[in-house]
Amino acid sequence: QSALTQPASVSGSPGQSITISCTGTSSDVGGYNYVSWYQQHPGRAPKLMIYDVSKRPSGVSNRFSGSKSGNTASLTISGLQAEDEADYYCSSYTSSSTWVFGGGTKLTVL
Amino acid sequence: EVQLVESGGGLVQPGGSLRLSCAASGFTFSSYEMNWVRQAPGKGLEWVSYISSGGSTIYYADSVKGRFTISRDNAKNSLYLQMNSLRVEDTAVYYCAAPGDSWYSFDYWGQGTLVTVSS
Repeated sequence: QSALTQPASVSGSPGQSITISCTGTSSDVGGYNYVSWYQQHPGRAPKLMIYDVSKRPSGVSNRFSGSKSGNTASLTISGLQAEDEADYYCSSYTSSSTWVFGGGTKLTVL
Repeated sequence: EVQLVESGGGLVQPGGSLRLSCAASGFTFSSYEMNWVRQAPGKGLEWVSYISSGGSTIYYADSVKGRFTISRDNAKNSLYLQMNSLRVEDTAVYYCAAPGDSWYSFDYWGQGTLVTVSS
């Protein structure tokens, strides 16, 4: 149950687009279309932003999008806003019927 | 409105036990699979355990297998996590989490309850 690999930090200016990668294996990310992404602001519970690789829950801005290629999933945020500054975590269902999270990526809006 | 409220956290010595509870409301609890997810201070999220809607199927992370027990009482709309043989590395905020649009994501989260394992 090794954690998925995410960059520790990414940054971008308001209005720009950024992409956060999430790399796993064929036993998790590559084997299932069950990757989800969570946003977490300091002191708050995580919030689901993307599920099943690319689907957006009701109420989540269409500036957030997800994709997957092989063992790597990606979260793209377009039109970056100050409120997007937060920690982002990916998660995947695994072949062991468990879930695994990424180590998290701190997004800084410059 | 879906609400998940955790309770039962606190300070416990290494080797001790603690039982967490999660009270659910706003949805048909008995129809939903449930999970526990934890977050150590300043660290990332870690999935801990899963239980099926009827309680017959259970999974654990390797880090807690044999020490933690997940259970539920559908009549009381409640989820539990019995934690035994606690270690310093179990110190974390523990969240209960429920699926929504997909059975494979965590759509709803509680506010979390802090467990501190220290002598």
